[in-house]
Amino acid sequence: AQSVTQPDIHITVSEGASLELRCNYSYGATPYLFWYVQSPGQGLQLLLKYFSGDTLVQGIKGFEAEFKRSQSSFNLRKPSVHWSDAAEYFCAVGYSGGYQKVTFGTGTKLQVIP
Amino acid sequence: KAGVTQTPRYLIKTRGQQVTLSCSPISGHRSVSWYQQTPGQGLQFLFEYFSETQRNKGNFPGRFSGRQFSNSRSEMNVSTLELGDSALYLCASSETGGGTEAFFGQGTRLTVV
Repeated sequence: AQSVTQPDIHITVSEGASLELRCNYSYGATPYLFWYVQSPGQGLQLLLKYFSGDTLVQGIKGFEAEFKRSQSSFNLRKPSVHWSDAAEYFCAVGYSGGYQKVTFGTGTKLQVIP
Repeated sequence: KAGVTQTPRYLIKTRGQQVTLSCSPISGHRSVSWYQQTPGQGLQFLFEYFSETQRNKGNFPGRFSGRQFSNSRSEMNVSTLELGDSALYLCASSETGGGTEAFFGQGTRLTVV
């Protein structure tokens, strides 16, 4: 069964600092990997996705993520955090077998201090 | 293109009642998935519908059910509500499922009292 681990429940960074959110997955085949962001009381917005090809994926809002098969990781990065990035971030793995079942990590809440 | 629309946005129900939530996917999307989000359990997969057929189901009791109509709109129903059913229910649509990109609605906040 597929699973996703986000080891950091809560992270605090200063505005302008760099950010890395960790994600490890478990899946038997080549995974479909996603990062979503959720603002309070809102749905989830897709930041970026990895299906195949280049292991460094660029997303919206200046985010990027790197797929490392050897480490089963898909960490999210941003070189300079803005106050508006404060939100909860979810890593997810999708099943490639023909139906939609996305398994989410437990999320990392990002706090940005001025 | 309009996004995923969930109605209602907020709902308060009493224990023992039943509730129906609605989700209108993005035009052209045939896969609709439902998730329950709670602070303690995170995002839990409920079920997925594709072309009016349930293709996959999560580990929820039979009180949770759903359906999809020919226009891809979906409803989920929860019968005999319990306090623990209080959650944000999210709907996601995608073109065909199968790990393709899913777009989420803003959710329905259900409170059971």
